[in-house]
Amino acid sequence: GQNIDQPTEMTATEGAIVQINCTYQTSGFNGLFWYQQHAGEAPTFLSYNVLDGLEEKGRFSSFLSRSKGYSYLLLKELQMKDSASYLCAVIDSNYQLIWGAGTKLIIKP
Amino acid sequence: GAVVSQHPSWVICKSGTSVKIECRSLDFQATTMFWYRQFPKQSLMLMATSNEGSKATYEQGVEKDKFLINHASLTLSTLTVTSAHPEDSSFYICSARDRGKGESSPLHFGNGTRLTVT
Repeated sequence: GQNIDQPTEMTATEGAIVQINCTYQTSGFNGLFWYQQHAGEAPTFLSYNVLDGLEEKGRFSSFLSRSKGYSYLLLKELQMKDSASYLCAVIDSNYQLIWGAGTKLIIKP
Repeated sequence: GAVVSQHPSWVICKSGTSVKIECRSLDFQATTMFWYRQFPKQSLMLMATSNEGSKATYEQGVEKDKFLINHASLTLSTLTVTSAHPEDSSFYICSARDRGKGESSPLHFGNGTRLTVT
């Protein structure tokens, strides 16, 4: 079957750096997305990786290793507004989007 | 950027009534739109894939006669929850992909509809 694993919950301190990991086992791979979802709101797009390596976008970076079935989202200079759930999603060989359960990130002052 | 508009944002209805939720892509065309449901503290669950000009594809366990989907144009899909019951209370979210940007392009989400059935 297809599976995406990410930690259920993480806690970090304002101003610090946090890395949220995602591992996947899917039938084929056509890209990986990270989305941010605040409580009670719809997800918003953060990043897309299809090739190995690091994609940097401001305070957020996303890394992909296709051979390891592994990605991480790196958040720097954490702000209180970064408290949210972070969803990892993979596009499989049929272009179906497979969602992880999300990682709830709690930022403490 | 690509914008998806979803209405209403929230709705309260009585058990047994029907509720229609609209999803519009405002600045792009979407051959396919996706409807998700999310219960509190749970992950997104795909309910169905809405295809413009053809029948929707429903995920296993989702009743097609209860959740009616119509995708009449390249910018509009509707989800109607028929004969709603309290257990249908949930957060319903639509999403769409710009058909001009390929099947690996990101999904753009509407703001969601919080349905409460009393």
